[in-house]
Amino acid sequence: DTAVSQTPKYLVTQMGNDKSIKCEQNLGHDTMYWYKQDSKKFLKIMFSYNNKELIINETVPNRFSPKSPDKAHLNLHINSLELGDSAVYFCASSSRQNSPLHFGNGTRLTVT
Amino acid sequence: TQLLEQSPQFLSIQEGENLTVYCNSSSVFSSLQWYRQEPGEGPVLLVTVVTGGEVKKLKRLTFQFGDARKDSSLHITAAQPGDTGLYLCAGLNTGTASKLTFGTGTRLQVTL
Repeated sequence: DTAVSQTPKYLVTQMGNDKSIKCEQNLGHDTMYWYKQDSKKFLKIMFSYNNKELIINETVPNRFSPKSPDKAHLNLHINSLELGDSAVYFCASSSRQNSPLHFGNGTRLTVT
Repeated sequence: TQLLEQSPQFLSIQEGENLTVYCNSSSVFSSLQWYRQEPGEGPVLLVTVVTGGEVKKLKRLTFQFGDARKDSSLHITAAQPGDTGLYLCAGLNTGTASKLTFGTGTRLQVTL
């Protein structure tokens, strides 16, 4: 199936831990993104990569570090997790920078 | 910061009714996209409107982009339970670091 897939779907962890979320797309797209959706369902962009190059880096704590080993993968590593990091994190891709987005099904992160 | 306000926030209607969702901003966008998100899944693109005043139809859904490209509306005729979901508008800005700004969302529930 052609898609954007992210793992894990659910992640429950304690404050202070470090965790990673992985994302892969097999759509052949050049651009990938990480979005955060809060409890009020507001979607906010965190990062965007185009051909492995960081092009958007919103005001996100530096505990969040994206890594793009190739243009089909964009992983998100989070250090020293805090309660406020609890949210649903969505990976997305687009054929080029301003094209519509194809989203993964999200990773629900719960920090206790 | 560009804000896209959607109204209403919540809408619960019966099957067969018509409804309109509004997406408003004080900023001009080069294009505007509408997405629908179902529980446990990522948003899925419904339509992109580009030209001021543009109207696009997708079966029972009619999308309009405002003449000044600051606002948009989504009208659903004869709503069905399958229309239930979170509707998100998203505007693409015209700056050099193009990015998509999502609206505040409208949660629609259609009951039998």
